[in-house]
Amino acid sequence: GAGVSQSPRYKVTKRGQDVTLRCDPISSHATLYWYQQALGQGPEFLTYFNYEAQPDKSGLPSDRFSAERPEGSISTLTIQRTEQRDSAMYRCASSSVTRETQYFGPGTRLLVL
Amino acid sequence: AQSVTQPDIHITVSEGASLELRCNYSYGATPYLFWYVQSPGQGLQLLLKYFSGDTLVQGIKGFEAEFKRSQSSFNLRKPSVHWSDAAEYFCAVGFSGGYNKLIFGAGTRLAVHP
Repeated sequence: GAGVSQSPRYKVTKRGQDVTLRCDPISSHATLYWYQQALGQGPEFLTYFNYEAQPDKSGLPSDRFSAERPEGSISTLTIQRTEQRDSAMYRCASSSVTRETQYFGPGTRLLVL
Repeated sequence: AQSVTQPDIHITVSEGASLELRCNYSYGATPYLFWYVQSPGQGLQLLLKYFSGDTLVQGIKGFEAEFKRSQSSFNLRKPSVHWSDAAEYFCAVGFSGGYNKLIFGAGTRLAVHP
């Protein structure tokens, strides 16, 4: 597509529920990143994919967080048993194989009640 | 550890005035440096980037930034601010390796008075 898209744009859930966020990167981009942005802070790296491979999961806060990109295109970020501290903006970005610039989507704002 | 510091949380300027947003980084090698802007309800938009070469880089919307290795800084400047520049600005450093994990500063929120 023309840009990175994310869905849903807003998600309100109750503590303990599972949520899945979706990212659709720019179609020619091999690399996809997930970031978490708390209110008043800059984005923080969670994980990234190079095609289907997920070489770095170092930023995932706990084992409740997981991400997939099974066909090397669309990616999902799943948070199991959500907690109030998971409330944040979740941002997805993509970049081409050889260029270093990341292009960001609009984000999904998650609120855990 | 790599880090990015944006010393100014909030800045207010008058429309037409000049602007400088500060960014300092801590990184062992030559970094890739970026400035992004976040407007309300929008995603992060790339303003400009530095990978190598000329240390003064030009970006969109009339912004420029200068990489100063001796000061570990990458300050963003604009000679004349427009009301539409009111937004939050993020400086980021990327690893010059096989992938580009970005580390962001906490951001500077810019307000513009008419």
